[in-house]
Amino acid sequence: SQKIEQNSEALNIQEGKTATLTCNYTNYSPAYLQWYRQDPGRGPVFLLLIRENEKEKRKERLKVTFDTTLKQSLFHITASQPADSATYLCALPSGGSYIPTFGRGTSLIVHP
Amino acid sequence: DTGVSQNPRHKITKRGQNVTFRCDPISEHNRLYWYRQTLGQGPEFLTYFQNEAQLEKSRLLSDRFSAERPKGSFSTLEIQRTEQGDSAMYLCASSLVGGTGDNQPQHFGDGTRLSIL
Repeated sequence: SQKIEQNSEALNIQEGKTATLTCNYTNYSPAYLQWYRQDPGRGPVFLLLIRENEKEKRKERLKVTFDTTLKQSLFHITASQPADSATYLCALPSGGSYIPTFGRGTSLIVHP
Repeated sequence: DTGVSQNPRHKITKRGQNVTFRCDPISEHNRLYWYRQTLGQGPEFLTYFQNEAQLEKSRLLSDRFSAERPKGSFSTLEIQRTEQGDSAMYLCASSLVGGTGDNQPQHFGDGTRLSIL
């Protein structure tokens, strides 16, 4: 089955810088990949979806890329703010099911 | 706000007791999912419904777990004879069916945190 890898170490950056988070998968390329944000004690909130035939997707300060050769998606937040501090999860279908499987998430901490 | 609602938010119970959680999805959503999340991990899929039909169950869903969605609206997740290892956050999500590859985003509730003493 598909293994999803997200950096377990927290990413610490300074306000105003661009944060880049990585999601790697191990097997076949999925039909789509999703990114979610999760705050402590809350459920995940959907941010962006990118399909296998798309290389890049943008939404305001967010940008997602999808490289099926590298089996990797990058999630960028430009002009980061302390309010962007959260855990970011990637999710993609695996094991022949359309139901997305979630990575463990990467914690982002933006320092003022 | 008519998002996904879960009750109760917190549940503390003794080992061996039965517990039941409720999820009210977004009203027009026909898919409903249950996940379990432990500290430092992402949500793990348990089961999902399309309308009232339970279409898929994870191997994580032991026979002590049962989920229902009797009228295709709200859902309940019951855990019988709870064990210490059942302590986790139980998340419910809903979505629409549609789109190529069933890639509709999921809308999550804020979960029920279960603590087994």
